[in-house]
Amino acid sequence: GNSVTQMEGPVTLSEEAFLTINCTYTATGYPSLFWYVQYPGEGLQLLLKATKADDKGSNKGFEATYRKETTSFHLEKGSVQVSDSAVYFCALSDRAGGFKTIFGAGTRLFVKA
Amino acid sequence: EAQVTQNPRYLITVTGKKLTVTCSQNMNHEYMSWYRQDPGLGLRQIYYSMNVEVTDKGDVPEGYKVSRKEKRNFPLILESPSPNQTSLYFCASSYTGVPGELFFGEGSRLTVL
Repeated sequence: GNSVTQMEGPVTLSEEAFLTINCTYTATGYPSLFWYVQYPGEGLQLLLKATKADDKGSNKGFEATYRKETTSFHLEKGSVQVSDSAVYFCALSDRAGGFKTIFGAGTRLFVKA
Repeated sequence: EAQVTQNPRYLITVTGKKLTVTCSQNMNHEYMSWYRQDPGLGLRQIYYSMNVEVTDKGDVPEGYKVSRKEKRNFPLILESPSPNQTSLYFCASSYTGVPGELFFGEGSRLTVL
């Protein structure tokens, strides 16, 4: 079945550092891939998405590229801010899987001033 | 404003006392789903609904019931709560044309004593 694996946290960075959160997936079909962000005390929000191989999703300075050859969708940001402190979830959804969205375990990011 | 509204946000109850967590969305979404979030496990799907009167089990349906009598509402029912159902619950919705692009409620933190 489909699955998502993302790097364990927490990840602690200083402000303006480069961020990478790794995500790899297993899917039988051709999934769409997503990154969601959860700020403290809130629900998840869609951060970015990519629907086919080689697509790059981007939003708020974050980027992720759908790499079919390595089954990966790593999240990157060139310069993090304290306000980026949150939990980040990688996810996939596959029509062949009946619209079910599979989430990774989440990676907590702490950014220090 | 487009939103998914859950109530209650916080609840402490005792084993065996039936409770209902309500979920309502104002975006005319066909698809609605319930997740529970537990540390280290990410989000796990409890039940989902593709449309009115159509519901199906997710990964962890035991101990839960749902109904979808109206398009906007998707209540989660715990007939006889147990301590292992202590968790953070999220309702989410989406258009079926864009599976995986979910809109989440703010969450309901449930404690069963």
